[in-house]
Amino acid sequence: ETGVTQSPTHLIKTRGQQVTLRCSSQSGHNTVSWYQQALGQGPQFIFQYYREEENGRGNFPPRFSGLQFPNYSSELNVNALELDDSALYLCASGLQGPSSYNEQFFGPGTRLTVL
Amino acid sequence: AQRVTQPEKLLSVFKGAPVELKCNYSYSGSPELFWYVQYSRQRLQLLLRHISRESIKGFTADLNKGETSFHLKKPFAQEEDSAMYYCALSLIKAAGNKLTFGGGTRVLVKP
Repeated sequence: ETGVTQSPTHLIKTRGQQVTLRCSSQSGHNTVSWYQQALGQGPQFIFQYYREEENGRGNFPPRFSGLQFPNYSSELNVNALELDDSALYLCASGLQGPSSYNEQFFGPGTRLTVL
Repeated sequence: AQRVTQPEKLLSVFKGAPVELKCNYSYSGSPELFWYVQYSRQRLQLLLRHISRESIKGFTADLNKGETSFHLKKPFAQEEDSAMYYCALSLIKAAGNKLTFGGGTRVLVKP
């Protein structure tokens, strides 16, 4: 089985621009979560998608949006980039089921730098 | 809102010495607690979770609801344990199964 993949690996944007980050879930998984990890901090939950709908959101403004596609790949879109958006963006996939929690598998991340 | 605190940014120990990483959480309900690890140049991966009550790579962690702690311990540290460790919390049966992470502790095991 293949693991979670993310693209691109690195990205440099300027303030005010828009960016799209991509993630491919692990085979058989039906949820995709996105996290932002600023330098020296732990990951912070942005949102999760399940069956192509947002299924939980963290404390992030509406300019952070996402999509999940039928093949369970996902996109994270950030509009009007700010300097503080510079971070490592992690994608994690999992399997939503009857149990209370299912392990989430993380991708390698996309390093976004906003100048 | 739930919160996870890891008070130590860096722990430096010698090989063979015990190591304990502290994790405290704040949440009034019944959370699920996890330890994630990130080795150099590798992705974040699950080390263990309290529900499993198992030892992974010699590490154990006990959930203490009275002290709201979930400290990670290993009696004899090895050089390959050098990594970044994150304590995380998830709310049982909450929509989204989001993970709330602590700030992380870097463990350096010296030869």
